Amino acid sequence: QAVVTQEPSLTVSPGGTVTLTCGSSTGAVTSGHFPYWFQQKPGQAPRTLIYDTSNQHSWTPARFSGSLLGGKAALTLSGAQPEDEAEYYCLLSYSGARVFGGGTKLTVL
Amino acid sequence: QVQLVQSGAEVKKPGASVKVSCKASGYTFTSYAIHWVRQAPGQRLEWMGWINAGNGNTKYSQKFQGRVTITRDTSASTAYMELSSLRFEDTAVYYCARERYMDVWGKGTTVTVSS
Repeated sequence: QAVVTQEPSLTVSPGGTVTLTCGSSTGAVTSGHFPYWFQQKPGQAPRTLIYDTSNQHSWTPARFSGSLLGGKAALTLSGAQPEDEAEYYCLLSYSGARVFGGGTKLTVL
Repeated sequence: QVQLVQSGAEVKKPGASVKVSCKASGYTFTSYAIHWVRQAPGQRLEWMGWINAGNGNTKYSQKFQGRVTITRDTSASTAYMELSSLRFEDTAVYYCARERYMDVWGKGTTVTVSS
């Protein structure tokens, strides 16, 4: 089974910009991995922010965007808000099976 | 509105099985697959598998292959996840999510494995 890697933790200043990445042990992440990004706050179910690399749900704040960057999937937060402090997970598809990354704890400080 | 309502918390002994349900409402159940995801206390999310609610086809994570069975009852608009040979490390919150870009999630079912 593939291993999906994320930064364990990142810190961003309020109003600042940060990029979270999602890599695959099998090689470069492509659109064919249909990358997803989820936000999870303590005690809550995950909430999908981005699907299929760069598509936003209707509830996704415009400050979140998804892309492919340097062989990885990326989630960029532009103009961080205190309420963005959370755990972020990526999910990649491997011929229909899915694998989550280990998560990135984002601190807004 | 679209909802996934999961069954209540369970306490099981090691070696037993647990079956968690996920009842869909507000949409045509057979139109979308259902994913199952779990999260042990303080740990990462783990994808367990999914079922095509229309034709019943399933796909499982290699990690759970042989121990997990996902089924559905279209007449009840309900998907089920059964995990067998439970171990202490299976203590977790189990979630279902709709495969329409995973837009709707259940609130989770806590399964505790304890002797």
